[in-house]
Order: sequence, then structure tokens, then C-alpha cells
Amino acid sequence: GDSVTQMEGPVTLSEEAFLTINCTYTATGYPSLFWYVQYPGEGLQLLLKATKADDKGSNKGFEATYRKETTSFHLEKGSVQVSDSAVYFCALSVINDMRFGAGTRLTVKP
Amino acid sequence: NAGVTQTPKFRVLKTGQSMTLLCAQDMNHEYMYWYRQDPGMGLRLIHYSVGEGTTAKGEVPDGYNVSRLKKQNFLLGLESAAPSQTSVYFCASSDLGGKTDTQYFGPGTRLTVL
Repeated sequence: GDSVTQMEGPVTLSEEAFLTINCTYTATGYPSLFWYVQYPGEGLQLLLKATKADDKGSNKGFEATYRKETTSFHLEKGSVQVSDSAVYFCALSVINDMRFGAGTRLTVKP
Repeated sequence: NAGVTQTPKFRVLKTGQSMTLLCAQDMNHEYMYWYRQDPGMGLRLIHYSVGEGTTAKGEVPDGYNVSRLKKQNFLLGLESAAPSQTSVYFCASSDLGGKTDTQYFGPGTRLTVL
């Protein structure tokens, strides 16, 4: 069935470092792809999304490009901040069904 | 505009007890969802609803029941709780349920079954 595999954590970076969190997917159709972020004690919030191949989603300095040829949707940020510390989830969606990866915990140290 | 709210925030049950989790949304969304979040497994869909009066099974529905009597509310019931149901439960809603739609999440309910 449809599924998402994302880079296992935890990931620890220093402030201003470059971030990559890998995400690959398996899907029979043409899903939409999402990155959600979960801050401590809160629910998930949408970070960015892409709905078709070659689309780039971006928000708050984060970017991810929908690569159909490599079935990937890697999350990147050029310079992380302490406030980016959270758990990041990659997800794919077909109608009425959203599948999540296991999540990657990011800690950014000053 | 509160978005998606969940009641209660925390609960401890003994094996065999029952309880109901309440989810409410004020965005007039058609679709609502219940997920459970377990360590290392991401979120898994329990049940969902495509509109008032309708419900459907998700990936892990066993041991749970749901009801959507009003458009804004989605209830998740555990009739006889088991330790395997210890988890964090999230409710979500979306406008039209299409594959491009964003889901909006509540803050979660942490349930422990002893």
C-alpha cells in the first residue's frame, strides 16, 4: 500500500547549520505530499505541501520539491534556529487517506 | 476561532473501562479524522467521517467506535479499554477531504490504560 519512509532521528544541529531531512514515498497513484511540524505538547501543523510533480513547497525558510523520478520530498532549510526544534513528519495523501512517516526529531542548539 | 479542540487532555483508565473522547471544530469542515500516535510509528488513522451522520474505518479501527451526530463534533469511543490502546490521540478536520486538502489538528489527548 501507499507509505512514507523518512530519515530516522534524532537530529541535532547547531544554530545556523543546514538542515536536510530525507523523505521517500511509495504510492500507486499521484499523491499530494506534505511536511507537518509538531512542537512540544501541541498537535501537528502544516509546514508546506506540494500537489504535483516538480512543485516546490516553501514556508518559513523551509523548502521541499516533489520529485517523481526519485519518489522523494526531502525537507531543507539553509540556516536553522533554536525555535525550529520540533518533530517533523512527512506525509502523503490520496483521497480520504493521509499516510504519515514515523517523524524526525530535530534539536537545534545555540 | 478556536480551530480544533479536544477533550480531555489527559486520561488514565483501567483495563475494561470505557470512555469517550470529544473533538470539536469551528471551521465548518466536512471531513473529520481520528488518529493515534505511537512512538516510532507516526500517526495512524483510526476512523474518519466525510460528513454529518457518516463514518468510515481507517487503518486501525479495531476496539474503537465513532459517531458524527453534528457536523462540528466527532466522538471517539473505547468500549472496553486495553493496555494496547495507550497512546496519544489526535483529531483533525479538513474542508473537502481531497488529496490536496490540508488537515488541521487538535492538541491531542494522552490516554494511559493500566
